Amino acid sequence: QKEVEQDPGPLSVPEGAIVSLNCTYSNSAFQYFMWYRQYSRKGPELLMYTYSSGNKEDGRFTAQVDKSSKYISLFIRDSQPSDSATYLCAMSVRGGATNKLIFGTGTLLAVQP
Amino acid sequence: DTGVSQDPRHKITKRGQNVTFRCDPISEHNRLYWYRQTLGQGPEFLTYFQNEAQLEKSRLLSDRFSAERPKGSFSTLEIQRTEQGDSAMYLCAVQPPVGEKLFFGSGTQLSVL
Repeated sequence: QKEVEQDPGPLSVPEGAIVSLNCTYSNSAFQYFMWYRQYSRKGPELLMYTYSSGNKEDGRFTAQVDKSSKYISLFIRDSQPSDSATYLCAMSVRGGATNKLIFGTGTLLAVQP
Repeated sequence: DTGVSQDPRHKITKRGQNVTFRCDPISEHNRLYWYRQTLGQGPEFLTYFQNEAQLEKSRLLSDRFSAERPKGSFSTLEIQRTEQGDSAMYLCAVQPPVGEKLFFGSGTQLSVL
């Protein structure tokens, strides 16, 4: 079993829709949670960063962390065609020797105009 | 601008050849990572440097792989006797002195024929 599980999609939605992306994880020591967006043939770009449980909002994006369920989500409101990309969840252990991130496989999102 | 420059962007090589990739953090970050990403997968951790010291290597990093970070500035990743299974995107990432956020370069896409 992988430490971080993510539905690979693809997920296709019409423009303006609310998108929900999710990851589950097995390591209860994870405390830092991030979402990255990756366009084709580009490096991942940091979108959202949260620490421990709760919600964080930034513009059209909301990140949720539920540590009791080992479940994190990213919501995109009013989705745009420019949001079409692969979305990667990532997490790390607090106080780890290297602070390396463990990534999910990524969910491919297509927003249709 | 992620603050990380990678060179080359693309590399095509024949099986058995050696290749070297370079990562240049634009600003001084003492923590530097190399990741590998294959098609349809999330980035996988390869190795970590704190300044010039290589503090952790993944089991993915076979003896054919070597990474260096002389003087704690730029870093190089060399693959000797390349195999077709080495075909992937090789990503360099940096982390500020404080915090868990990782910032990636655009990567080097390696194709081994």
